[in-house]
Amino acid sequence: DAKTTQPTSMDCAEGRAANLPCNHSTISGNEYVYWYRQIHSQGPQYIIHGLKNNETNEMASLIITEDRKSSTLILPHATLRDTAVYYCIVTPQGGSEKLVFGKGMKLTVNP
Amino acid sequence: DVKVTQSSRYLVKRTGEKVFLECVQDMDHENMFWYRQDPGLGLRLIYFSYDVKMKEKGDIPEGYSVSREKKERFSLILESASTNQTSMYLCASRRDVQPQHFGDGTRLSIL
Repeated sequence: DAKTTQPTSMDCAEGRAANLPCNHSTISGNEYVYWYRQIHSQGPQYIIHGLKNNETNEMASLIITEDRKSSTLILPHATLRDTAVYYCIVTPQGGSEKLVFGKGMKLTVNP
Repeated sequence: DVKVTQSSRYLVKRTGEKVFLECVQDMDHENMFWYRQDPGLGLRLIYFSYDVKMKEKGDIPEGYSVSREKKERFSLILESASTNQTSMYLCASRRDVQPQHFGDGTRLSIL
């Protein structure tokens, strides 16, 4: 069972920041927060992951609350190509033997 | 960048056929995975492999087998294809405890 809760969908205007929330209130001390996205008809794409500190890479930023019960993925300047289903996953580092994706959240970036 | 290549994007086969799905990664990753993805059921792990000639069953191995003769290649075999194996098949690979990276998937239809 997925251990995260995400909104079903969200809209964002092109060029604006997209802030994607995720709740993971039962996260364990050794579990990381991972974000993947899946553009229609493609495989999941790894975005970013973190344990407790905020993380940033060329794709996005990840903000994890101090109690680690929730996090936010930030796409700083959303483009139409960011339209996808975004999955927030909590799992031990590396994803153990398998990844369990919940229903995810559909982000639609509008012109 | 990590590159996971699946041999076919779309494949149509007939019931009872033996079907081979190929996956190749170019990053010398030890770990490779086969999942299937179905609407409403999410991602389900079929088999994974920690090293050459090693394999482990995932959650739904029935009707499937795998082969890992070389480190870069992980093959999924449907011994006798059935209509309930119509699905999107995703291959992933990973080094150590790094994130899993996915191929673009093979959409397989069994008629």
